[in-house]
Amino acid sequence: GAVVSQHPSWVICKSGTSVKIECRSLDFQATTMFWYRQFPKQSLMLMATSNEGSKATYEQGVEKDKFLINHASLTLSTLTVTSAHPEDSSFYICSARDRDTSLKQYFGPGTRLTVT
Amino acid sequence: QKEVEQDPGPLSVPEGAIVSLNCTYSNSAFQYFMWYRQYSRKGPELLMYTYSSGNKEDGRFTAQVDKSSKYISLFIRDSQPSDSATYLCAMRGNTGGFKTIFGAGTRLFVKA
Repeated sequence: GAVVSQHPSWVICKSGTSVKIECRSLDFQATTMFWYRQFPKQSLMLMATSNEGSKATYEQGVEKDKFLINHASLTLSTLTVTSAHPEDSSFYICSARDRDTSLKQYFGPGTRLTVT
Repeated sequence: QKEVEQDPGPLSVPEGAIVSLNCTYSNSAFQYFMWYRQYSRKGPELLMYTYSSGNKEDGRFTAQVDKSSKYISLFIRDSQPSDSATYLCAMRGNTGGFKTIFGAGTRLFVKA
């Protein structure tokens, strides 16, 4: 149980285009989902926290107009990187907190984004 | 000072060794303590979680929490090459609004 999926697992896009990443909790309902960014050999950097049906809360320094987050249901959250630039190339990982056992936070497999 | 301190390593041990991974923290409000394992180019996997102080054992893994010292540990017995990964400690408080704070991660290499 407690599986979180992400799609796509990797994507290459051209500078200036937008990319959408989906995050799904497959066997549990997640009232809260998190989006992280991770650079090589570095730890997780929290970008934003999203609660189902409400606006996401962004961490300081994260542009909300560039990284659009939608948490449409208890099992789906999306992150859209708008007008992507090469510096947005990174590993993006979502995480979902189980509604029933709010302690546990499960991670997706990550999406590697490369902007050329 | 960071809220959570974790030595990034790398830590290299021979197969079969006992591995000790540690984190210290400064926020006394933390109540839940987790350890995640992350393989290269993969998302973190929840390994262990404990509430408050004490020990918890799961197979070859033992998690210890010492709240008086603000120190947590993960022990891996009979380490295997497949244990080679980055181990992240994480912790949070006792209310729904508390964010989970992650350590930097320790890279572990177990040599066959």
